[in-house]
Amino acid sequence: KNEVEQSPQNLTAQEGEFITINCSYSVGISALHWLQQHPGGGIVSLFMLSSGKKKHGRLIATINIQEKHSSLHITASHPRDSAVYICAVRTSGGGADGLTFGKGTHLIIQP
Amino acid sequence: NAGVTQTPKFQVLKTGQSMTLQCAQDMNHEYMSWYRQDPGMGLRLIHYSVGAGITDQGEVPNGYNVSRSTTEDFPLRLLSAAPSQTSVYFCASGEGLAGLYNEQFFGPGTRLTVL
Repeated sequence: KNEVEQSPQNLTAQEGEFITINCSYSVGISALHWLQQHPGGGIVSLFMLSSGKKKHGRLIATINIQEKHSSLHITASHPRDSAVYICAVRTSGGGADGLTFGKGTHLIIQP
Repeated sequence: NAGVTQTPKFQVLKTGQSMTLQCAQDMNHEYMSWYRQDPGMGLRLIHYSVGAGITDQGEVPNGYNVSRSTTEDFPLRLLSAAPSQTSVYFCASGEGLAGLYNEQFFGPGTRLTVL
């Protein structure tokens, strides 16, 4: 079973700061997802990565397959970025199955 | 498109009662799944389906049944509710048989309390 660890668990920062959230996993994967869970509970997909780097607006996600590690960066953070950020992986091999999730990083951006 | 819809949003059950959580998607996705989210834990896979007529168990399937008679609908049945099933339940869907390699779309969740 793939173990997914996220750090930090909680992060409070000031508006405008550069934010980094880390995700590491124990077994080789074929896909990694970054998700955002709003305070109201809804979950939206931010990125799906299998290699390299993706950018969408102020969000950047990178993955290092050899080191089994991914990072989510937020540039010029804003209070509306306050949410729980969740990393999830699809382990290589086997059938369709599902995703294995980290416990999430609770981010608060203060004005 | 409505995306992924779930009903009800909230539900309170007594121990031993049965109920069905509804999930529907209008994006013609083949892959659908059910997760539960508990405090201090990551989401955990209950059951999943790769197409109509095909379902399989995930990490925590005990006490739950699913069926997939159509592409659009993937209901989750609690056979005899127990307090340990108090949780928030999310339905999700993804495109293609390898739906996990594409963006996942989540429903708004159902908050279930079992007394």
